[in-house]
Amino acid sequence: DAMVIQNPRYQVTQFGKPVTLSCSQTLNHNVMYWYQQKSSQAPKLLFHYYDKDFNNEADTPDNFQSRRPNTSFCFLDIRSPGLGDAAMYLCATSASGTGGLEQFFGPGTRLTVL
Amino acid sequence: AQSVTQLGSHVSVSEGALVLLRCNYSSSVPPYLFWYVQYPNQGLQLLLKYTSAATLVKGINGFEAEFKKSETSFHLTKPSAHMSDAAEYFCAVSHTGGGNKLTFGTGTQLKVEL
Repeated sequence: DAMVIQNPRYQVTQFGKPVTLSCSQTLNHNVMYWYQQKSSQAPKLLFHYYDKDFNNEADTPDNFQSRRPNTSFCFLDIRSPGLGDAAMYLCATSASGTGGLEQFFGPGTRLTVL
Repeated sequence: AQSVTQLGSHVSVSEGALVLLRCNYSSSVPPYLFWYVQYPNQGLQLLLKYTSAATLVKGINGFEAEFKKSETSFHLTKPSAHMSDAAEYFCAVSHTGGGNKLTFGTGTQLKVEL
C-alpha cells in the first residue's frame, strides 16, 4: 500500500543536542509538509516543499530546518532542541493542484527532550 | 484569510447515540473543507472532504457532513456512535494558494460512553 512512513516513532534527545527526524513516502507526491503538534492542540505547519522549493512559515523558529534530497524523502532537523520543542512531529504529503487535495499523514514521531 | 472554528473541545455521547461535531468556516472564496480523525499517538486520517461537487458528503466509518453556505458550517455527523469512534476530530480548510496548505481547527475530543 502507498503510504507515508516516519522514523523513528519515538525519539528522545537531550536539551541542545541536534536531532533529525525522517519521513519517506511511496505516493510519489510533489508536496511534503512538516507539522508540529503539541498535546491537545491542532497541528501547526512548520514548512513545506513543493518539489524542491522550500516554503517556510513566517513563525517557524530558525532552530528548525529541513532537507528534501529527493521526491521520496524529507528530513526535519532541530539544531538545538529546547524543552518547548517536545511534541509530536507529523509529516504529510499531497499531490500538486489547485486545491481540495487531501493530505496524507504519517504516524508521527513523538519527540521527548530531557 | 481562511479559518475554521470548532465549537466544543470535548463532546461526550452514549454508544448508539447521534454524533454531532460542529465546524464553522470563514472564507472569502468557496472553501475546500476537510474532516480528519486522529487516534492516540497516530497521524491524521481523512474522514471526508468537501470540494463543491455535492453539499452532503459521505465519508468513511459511517460519517457524513453537510456544507451549508448560508450558515458557513460543515458539521460532522454519525447516526450511531461506536466505542471505536472515540478520538480527536479536526476540521480543516484548504488554502486556495499554492502548496495546498491546510488550516486546522482546534479539534474536538469525542468520548463514547457505554
